Amino acid sequence: QSVLTQPPSVSGAPGQRVTISCTGSSSNIGALYDVHWYQQVPGTAPKLLIYGNANRPSGVPDRFSGSKSGTSASLAITGLQAEDEADYYCQSYDSSLNGHVFGTGTKVTVL
Amino acid sequence: QVQLVQSGAEVKKPGASVKVSCRASGYTFNTYTMHWVRQAPGQRLEWMGWINAANGNTKYSQKFQGRVTIIRDISASAAYMELSSLRSEDTAMYYCARGREYNSSPYVDVWGKGTTVTVSS
Repeated sequence: QSVLTQPPSVSGAPGQRVTISCTGSSSNIGALYDVHWYQQVPGTAPKLLIYGNANRPSGVPDRFSGSKSGTSASLAITGLQAEDEADYYCQSYDSSLNGHVFGTGTKVTVL
Repeated sequence: QVQLVQSGAEVKKPGASVKVSCRASGYTFNTYTMHWVRQAPGQRLEWMGWINAANGNTKYSQKFQGRVTIIRDISASAAYMELSSLRSEDTAMYYCARGREYNSSPYVDVWGKGTTVTVSS
């Protein structure tokens, strides 16, 4: 069961800004659990992009930023580049399921 | 650098079991948790469970409870995930990933390259 909902796809031209939403509920994002984001280039393993709603691990460009409000979170990519074309997943913890949950995933296309 | 090296691809018949290994290097193995995540072809990521490498405690997704077992061998700096009663829907890429926590919210920061498991008669 998918408890974190993301748009299937977003697209933008190089240099533009795109945002990806992640909508949860009172048992996960709304229960004050943080949201984390992963980038997955097709055919490769996921990579941590944002942790704790808005923190970037070392090596992740500051073009990527995250935020959270209420039962939703967002990932923004500014100055879109061709190498940003990938699938993006949000992740949180769900107290009802008593486990981790991933979002449905969003494919970012650079036009 | 931190690395997670997984075992090779597996092909299994329905009803069989599969055991995937994940060997860690570049950090102190027993000070982190190890998670297992799978991804069926064209599908989203799906969390299966984790093990506390220090004490061996485990937590499994309700979906896999009763079919999945995660163990660790501290001396080998390795974790293992065994999935039993395989069916065709278990055909997927299986990843191990190192667990972290921020504000009591768990996440994973380093991933293995994945192990392909194919279930076919």
